Order: sequence, then structure tokens, then C-alpha cells
Amino acid sequence: DAKTTQPTSMDCAEGRAANLPCNHSTISGNEYVYWYRQIHSQGPQYIIHGLKNNETNEMASLIITEDRKSSTLILPHATLRDTAVYYCIVRVLDSSYKLIFGSGTRLLVRP
Amino acid sequence: DADVTQTPRNRITKTGKRIMLECSQTKGHDRMYWYRQDPGLGLRLIYYSFDVKDINKGEISDGYSVSRQAQAKFSLSLESAIPNQTALYFCATREQGDAGELFFGEGSRLTVL
Repeated sequence: DAKTTQPTSMDCAEGRAANLPCNHSTISGNEYVYWYRQIHSQGPQYIIHGLKNNETNEMASLIITEDRKSSTLILPHATLRDTAVYYCIVRVLDSSYKLIFGSGTRLLVRP
Repeated sequence: DADVTQTPRNRITKTGKRIMLECSQTKGHDRMYWYRQDPGLGLRLIYYSFDVKDINKGEISDGYSVSRQAQAKFSLSLESAIPNQTALYFCATREQGDAGELFFGEGSRLTVL
């Protein structure tokens, strides 16, 4: 699976959009981009995933560049409860489904 | 009740002791996983199972063993615990198919003295 690079930490104001970048310059054509988050020491929570088209669900939007070498997770209106560590992961959709989690980005939402 | 339940939630033990962490799920998923989390290292896959007869090693399986007693139960064992196995352990499940999300338990914090 391709390696991902994320900033160690970020912050944003409550109510504003949080834009979390991820670099995956060695991604292969059949690898998907997944995002999970972890609030404090709770179990990680799935957010969204995509291949090459932008995706949106009730939690977030995922913007993938045309060359697929980077992506951005957007939380449109961040709340204090969105303070967490966000993990960007790339993987092939094969039967093994191994998710290799890196160190993630620690997002702090300020009041 | 949680969909994925881990027991115990916290455990302190001594070097050399045998420890079992248990995971049960009510989601009816076939696929179950054990991860370990260390500060600054994200989550690393220990073992995963696609059904009761299919067990696979992850990236850090040395020192660990697993048992899939039933579709809903997947246990992780440390036969002889050592201090560098002190970590937060997570169980996860997902349904069949190649995409989809993992559902995680709340974690089991293990300290080996």
C-alpha cells in the first residue's frame, strides 16, 4: 500500500471549515483513499473514502486531485467534537483489507 | 450496547504472564481484525480473520496468537507477555466485500510490568 504524508497537527476555529491535506504521491491506479478519525483514545471512526471522484457524505467531503497524488478532507463546519486525530490511508480493494494507519493529523478545533 | 465489545478494557499484568483479550460483535460481520496502537505510531495490524477457518497474520504478529471461536468472537492472546507489548489494542469488524468501513471496539489498554 502507498505511503501517506500528513501534517502532524492543525487547528481551526469552531464553525469554520477544516481542510486536512494528505499526500500520497506513490498511489497506484487501483488504490483508494480512506479517512478515519480517532477521538482521544476511543476506537477509530470511519469518515469517507474515494478513488478519483470527489465524494461527500453527512460527515465530510473528500477532494482528490486529478493526478491522485494528494487529497483533502473537508469538515464543512467544524465543531469542538471534531477535535481528533485524522488518519489518511490508501489501500487496494482486495480481499485482505489491510488498513495501514500512519501517525495522522491532530486537529484542534478552537472555541 | 456497543456493536463491538472488548474485554477487559484495562489490564495490568507482569512479564511472562499469559493474557487473553476478547472481542465479540453483534453486527453479523464475517471479517474481524486486531490492531495495536502505540503513541506516535498510529495503528498496526496484528491478525485478521475472514471466517472461523481463515486466520491471517498482519504486520506485527510475532508474540501474539488468535482464536476465532465463532463468527462473533475473535480473541487475541499473548502467551508470555513482555513490557514492549504495553499498548492500546483494538478489535474491528467489517462486512464482506472489498470496500466498506471498519467498525472498531472501544479498546483494551494493556500494561505489562
